[in-house]
Amino acid sequence: AQKITQTQPGMFVQEKEAVTLDCTYDTSDQSYGLFWYKQPSSGEMIFLIYQGSYDEQNATEGRYSLNFQKARKSANLVISASQLGDSAMYFCAMRGPSGTYKYIFGTGTRLKVLA
Amino acid sequence: DSGVTQTPKHLITATGQRVTLRCSPRSGDLSVYWYQQSLDQGLQFLIQYYNGEERAKGNILERFSAQQFPDLHSELNLSSLELGDSALYFCASSVSISGSKNEQFFGPGTRLTVL
Repeated sequence: AQKITQTQPGMFVQEKEAVTLDCTYDTSDQSYGLFWYKQPSSGEMIFLIYQGSYDEQNATEGRYSLNFQKARKSANLVISASQLGDSAMYFCAMRGPSGTYKYIFGTGTRLKVLA
Repeated sequence: DSGVTQTPKHLITATGQRVTLRCSPRSGDLSVYWYQQSLDQGLQFLIQYYNGEERAKGNILERFSAQQFPDLHSELNLSSLELGDSALYFCASSVSISGSKNEQFFGPGTRLTVL
């Protein structure tokens, strides 16, 4: 069965510094997708970044990058130059092979950026 | 604004009652997903519809049902409500083209309170 694990319930980071949010996953599928979503206190879920299991390069989207280590089954999110607006819950999620479209989410990491 | 709309925003009802949550996906998206987010269970995938047909099922109770209509909007019906059904219910949509990253775009959610 597929599983997503986020071991950091909460993290603090100083403004303008970089922070890494951990995510490990478990799957026996060869084809899968990994996502990160941000949930601010207002409640909406915002898509941040995607990594496909066959993508050779680590995904990047602006200040967000995904450190994908397939052999270790980890997909850590790196936020560079943290801003106060980055304070939120961050969820790692996995999608199964094309055709199944079942998504599972981790329990989330609450990030607090300090001024 | 993700382009996904959900109504109502808030719903307060009593145990034993039945409610209907409505979702309109982004223009062009064929897939609709329903999630339940509660404090103790995190974000749980309930069910997915693709172009009117059920595609994947997650941890959806028998008291819950959903459907997707020809105009692609979807409804989630919750019946015989219990206190534990109080949660934030998200709808998400995606294009669902095989091989694409197929990220989901989330609506603002419906907060259900069962008294």
